[in-house]
Amino acid sequence: QVQLLQSGAEVKKPGASVKVSCKASGYTFTSNGISWVRQAPGQGLQWMGWMSITTGYAHYAQQFQGRVTMTTDTSTSTVYMELRSLTSDDTAVYYCARNVSGWSDYWGQGTLVTVSS
Amino acid sequence: QVALTQPASVSGSPGQSITISCTGANSDVGSYNLVSWYQQNPGKAPQVIIYDVSQRPSGVSNRFSGSKSGNTASLTISGLQAEDEADYYCCSYAGRSTWVFGGGTRLTVL
Repeated sequence: QVQLLQSGAEVKKPGASVKVSCKASGYTFTSNGISWVRQAPGQGLQWMGWMSITTGYAHYAQQFQGRVTMTTDTSTSTVYMELRSLTSDDTAVYYCARNVSGWSDYWGQGTLVTVSS
Repeated sequence: QVALTQPASVSGSPGQSITISCTGANSDVGSYNLVSWYQQNPGKAPQVIIYDVSQRPSGVSNRFSGSKSGNTASLTISGLQAEDEADYYCCSYAGRSTWVFGGGTRLTVL
């Protein structure tokens, strides 16, 4: 069955970077893109960007441009999302999700990133 | 990208129907039939219930339906059940390979 397994919770200081991984299994990894969505405590979902596994090209939301990088390692079927220059506003649960022609059918379990001094 | 506008909360009694609106702009909802809806229960990842405005993935109850008129998409839940109590989010393609979510709507089943 399709599974997206994310890395564990992280605690970071302001100004640091975080890299979250999302390991896919149960399907042909190159067949679907992967999106990243975050959710701050008590808040709504925020789309961050998505990555085409086929092309290796990523598209980012304007508000994260210059601060986020999405990469992939096809040898391990893993997608990474790195967010830099963290502030307390970046404290959130980060989800990866499999894309199906513009919507997401399978989601990871989420990774809590806490930014605190 | 500006988030799509949803009501913060809606409520209904079991058996009733409710509709959640999702208002965007000409640049997103109004230009593309690529609106999806997600249901999220507390502490859980979202789950898609509607895609491409009105399509239901297999396994999703036919009590859920979607539509769109102009810059506003809508999710209707008929025959409301206690298990429908959750947060609901719309999402639309916004051009240039980007997407935008709505602010979310908390559904309370009275």
